[in-house]
Amino acid sequence: GQSLEQPSEVTAVEGAIVQINCTYQTSGFYGLSWYQQHDGGAPTFLSYNGLDGLEETGRFSSFLSRSDSYGYLLLQELQMKDSASYFCAVRGNTPLVFGKGTRLSVIA
Amino acid sequence: DTAVSQTPKYLVTQMGNDKSIKCEQNLGHDTMYWYKQDSKKFLKIMFSYNNKELIINETVPNRFSPKSPDKAHLNLHINSLELGDSAVYFCASSQLPGTSPTGEQFFGPGTRLTVL
Repeated sequence: GQSLEQPSEVTAVEGAIVQINCTYQTSGFYGLSWYQQHDGGAPTFLSYNGLDGLEETGRFSSFLSRSDSYGYLLLQELQMKDSASYFCAVRGNTPLVFGKGTRLSVIA
Repeated sequence: DTAVSQTPKYLVTQMGNDKSIKCEQNLGHDTMYWYKQDSKKFLKIMFSYNNKELIINETVPNRFSPKSPDKAHLNLHINSLELGDSAVYFCASSQLPGTSPTGEQFFGPGTRLTVL
């Protein structure tokens, strides 16, 4: 089976940096994705790591270590609009399996 | 606009009723999905279709029946609705697994189903 663990809630100050960790157990692994979901909205794709290392997209970066079955999403220069839920998702032998999400609250 | 669309956005109904949710994508994708997101925000896949063929059918009650008339549409019919069916249902689409470098899925806006 597949399982993912990520913190349920994180609070950070506007302008700061926050890291959301994700550990996974899976049979068959192709990569780790991250999705953002604002309250009342749909999940939207943020990033994907198929290989070990860091992927950077603007203020957001994502990291993967296959040997540790671990990844993280790094959000820099936090803005109030970054308050949302963030899901890691494993791409394996089946379509995406999502973690339970991390609710990020950005405070002034 | 290229997108995944769902109707209706809100659905309020009584226990025991039968209802349908429609989904359409104009992204040219071959794969479509239905997800259920419960009150705790857990996003769980229900069904996956490739080119109108059912690929994944997770542990979902038989009361839920997907229908794909063509690869751009995937509808969800629910019979004998129960209180526990209250949730947000998301339709999504993607390129065929293995053909996309990222496996990115595109989600519809969701249908909030409330069973009274």
